[in-house]
Amino acid sequence: AQKVTQAQTEISVVEKEDVTLDCVYETRDTTYYLFWYKQPPSGELVFLIRRNSFDEQNEISGRYSWNFQKSTSSFNFTITASQVVDSAVYFCALRSTEYGNKLVFGAGTILRVKS
Amino acid sequence: GAVVSQHPSRVICKSGTSVKIECRSLDFQATTMFWYRQFPKQSLMLMATSNEGSKATYEQGVEKDKFLINHASLTLSTLTVTSAHPEDSSFYICSARDVHAGLNGYTFGSGTRLTVV
Repeated sequence: AQKVTQAQTEISVVEKEDVTLDCVYETRDTTYYLFWYKQPPSGELVFLIRRNSFDEQNEISGRYSWNFQKSTSSFNFTITASQVVDSAVYFCALRSTEYGNKLVFGAGTILRVKS
Repeated sequence: GAVVSQHPSRVICKSGTSVKIECRSLDFQATTMFWYRQFPKQSLMLMATSNEGSKATYEQGVEKDKFLINHASLTLSTLTVTSAHPEDSSFYICSARDVHAGLNGYTFGSGTRLTVV
């Protein structure tokens, strides 16, 4: 099984729609860290959020929100009222001792927001 | 915040030549830097971890003689693709870890798009 699974290869929405990007992870560690990054067409990776395994509190930052559920090993990311500028590839990543404390990335989800 | 500068952003080279990519941490010291490779529409694959003053640790399947990594100072790591071939064409991206920034401290460079012709 993959360590980080982003089952949605590509999502297209119309501006102002809400969209949720799924992320499912796998690790045997009890302490681990989850990340979301945004990669716009220019290529650089933009850090969005980090969550540690002991903090299941959901977080909201502007139009972005994250739902962390250990019971289902999921760390989903929702964009509310999407905008064209949200169009990018979004990566979920995991850092755990099991994987040598390196960032392990999911395959990414391409989000296209149309006006 | 922490900034990582990666140069060049794009490079085209002839088959058989070598290309050097630089990754600099501008406002922090990075004892550890990571080099990733990304094929079109694919994820980032870690190639190697470089530690200042010591040899890089390569991931399984990555040729260390092909992808030379040097981390001679706390602010600079370089990746040299030696005797490049068209199959080496890819997007290479570095990441530097700012130990003082905690676990948020994985800052990525803007990437280098290498095309070997």
